Amino acid sequence: NAGVTQTPKFQVLKTGQSMTLQCAQDMNHNSMYWYRQDPGMGLRLIYYSASEGTTDKGEVPNGYNVSRLNKREFSLRLESAAPSQTSVYFCASSERVAGGSDTQYFGPGTRLTVL
Amino acid sequence: QKEVEQNSGPLSVPEGAIASLNCTYSDRVSQSFFWYRQYSGKSPELIMSIYSNGDKEDGRFTAQLNKASQYVSLLIRDSQPSDSATYLCAVPRGFQKLVFGTGTRLLVSP
Repeated sequence: NAGVTQTPKFQVLKTGQSMTLQCAQDMNHNSMYWYRQDPGMGLRLIYYSASEGTTDKGEVPNGYNVSRLNKREFSLRLESAAPSQTSVYFCASSERVAGGSDTQYFGPGTRLTVL
Repeated sequence: QKEVEQNSGPLSVPEGAIASLNCTYSDRVSQSFFWYRQYSGKSPELIMSIYSNGDKEDGRFTAQLNKASQYVSLLIRDSQPSDSATYLCAVPRGFQKLVFGTGTRLLVSP
């Protein structure tokens, strides 16, 4: 099992360009997430999808859109990139454990620089 | 007050010592807690979860939860240089979501 995969690993954009970050998981999880991680700010939730066909805003959704293409895939789109979106982006997935809570499994991350 | 607070560190300990990492949270109804480890340039990976007051041990790692005082800690016994990483505390917020602390950087010197 590959777990959670993300593409690309690195990307440099110019201000105003658009791009889509891809994420896929092979663990048959219902829930998927997009985070950004900035120095001193920790992991902040951008968007999440509790199940196929649903998406919801997280803590910092402005400037982003998402698509839950199917149960495996959850993409993040930057329509018009800004330098403030320079960050490391992580995708994660989770499944509720009976009697417990959710463990989230993270992909390797995408390092995005916007010039 | 932040939902989850951690001292950013770095926490420096010599090899073989016990490293103690602390986390406080603001939501009294939180029922489960997670510790993730993140090596530099890598993604977070789960190392411990704890749901009940008291201690939970897993190898060299012990998670301690005190719901009355709203803190959770992670003890690493016999610290190794390979334990040098940032440790993130996470608490559930709403349905199937987690809120993360900013992490504590641990440095274990040989």
